[in-house]
Amino acid sequence: AQTVTQSQPEMSVQEAETVTLSCTYDTSESDYYLFWYKQPPSRQMILVIRQEAYKQQNATENRFSVNFQKAAKSFSLKISDSQLGDAAMYFCAYRDSDSNYQLIWGAGTKLIIKP
Amino acid sequence: DSGVTQTPKHLITATGQRVTLRCSPRSGDLSVYWYQQSLDQGLQFLIQYYNGEERAKGNILERFSAQQFPDLHSELNLSSLELGDSALYFCASSVGAGEIQYFGAGTRLSVL
Repeated sequence: AQTVTQSQPEMSVQEAETVTLSCTYDTSESDYYLFWYKQPPSRQMILVIRQEAYKQQNATENRFSVNFQKAAKSFSLKISDSQLGDAAMYFCAYRDSDSNYQLIWGAGTKLIIKP
Repeated sequence: DSGVTQTPKHLITATGQRVTLRCSPRSGDLSVYWYQQSLDQGLQFLIQYYNGEERAKGNILERFSAQQFPDLHSELNLSSLELGDSALYFCASSVGAGEIQYFGAGTRLSVL
């Protein structure tokens, strides 16, 4: 069965600095999707970024980028120029590419932004 | 705003009771997913519907059931509630069965 591991329960970063959140996963599939979702105190689950496993190029969305290492089964999220509004729980999630579309989640990392 | 609407936002009830959580997907989305987020179990997939039909089942208890109606809204029914059912229940929707899932704000269920 697929699993997702986030080994950092909490991370803190100074405002305007860069932070990297780690995620590893385990799967026997060759084609799949990986996601980072953000959950601020409002509880809303917001998609930050998506990576398709067959694409070698790392996904980027403005200040958010990923480092996808398929062989190592690693999928880290880099947040540049951290802002106070980035404070939230960040969840890494995995999804198969066909038939089984459920998201499998990591335990989450709480990101604290220091002003 | 994701466009996915969940009602109610909060629900407080007693053990042994039955509740219904409602989800309206984004306009045009055919697929609905239900997830449970609890302190001890984290986020878990419960069930998925696509265009009115059950598509996949996860860790959903027999006391729980769901359905998707012809207008594509979905309801999650939780019965014989236990203290451990207290959690945040999310609904997500996507255009097709394998597309990006957009989440509602969740329903916070407290079983006392």
